[in-house]
Amino acid sequence: GIQVEQSPPDLILQEGANSTLRCNFSDSVNNLQWFHQNPWGQLINLFYIPSGTKQNGRLSATTVATERYSLLYISSSQTTDSGVYFCAVSFVPYKYIFGTGTRLKVLA
Amino acid sequence: ETGVTQTPRHLVMGMTNKKSLKCEQHLGHNAMYWYKQSAKKPLELMFVYNFKEQTENNSVPSRFSPECPNSSHLFLHLHTLQPEDSALYLCASSRLGGADGYTFGSGTRLTVV
Repeated sequence: GIQVEQSPPDLILQEGANSTLRCNFSDSVNNLQWFHQNPWGQLINLFYIPSGTKQNGRLSATTVATERYSLLYISSSQTTDSGVYFCAVSFVPYKYIFGTGTRLKVLA
Repeated sequence: ETGVTQTPRHLVMGMTNKKSLKCEQHLGHNAMYWYKQSAKKPLELMFVYNFKEQTENNSVPSRFSPECPNSSHLFLHLHTLQPEDSALYLCASSRLGGADGYTFGSGTRLTVV
């Protein structure tokens, strides 16, 4: 089956720093989403980005579907950015496969 | 509040109990999902419902029984669970095909004793 790998698995940043999270997938996909799970378990959709680049405030994402990867950029990180970031991909409707996540901790 | 409400937030049940998890969305979405999140493992898709019809059962044991009476409500009925079923159970909804992405509820943290 399709494999989704995220790197790095863990990341510690000082407040104000920038970071790049990566998602690699093993096969062609039709859909890709990035999520943030806060320390209380709530999953928030950040981007629906099957291809191209999108920006939302301090966050931006780029998916290069032909090369089977997606990047999530966090600029000027804040302590509220802490949590786990998941990439999820699907090649058939409705059946998303999640990566194991990148656990981010931003220090004040 | 994300538009998808799950109750209860926490549940402790014995292995012989029967309980139900509830999920409700008022986003006008047509598809609803149950996911399981265990420690140290990726989120696992359990069930998918489109317009109240189950379209995916990801080899889930029969001790988990979903019910979708309408496009806004989704239940997960639990009976004779095992301790390894302890996890965070997440409900999500989306437009058809998952276009524009999923909206997740806050989850039910289940502990089986």
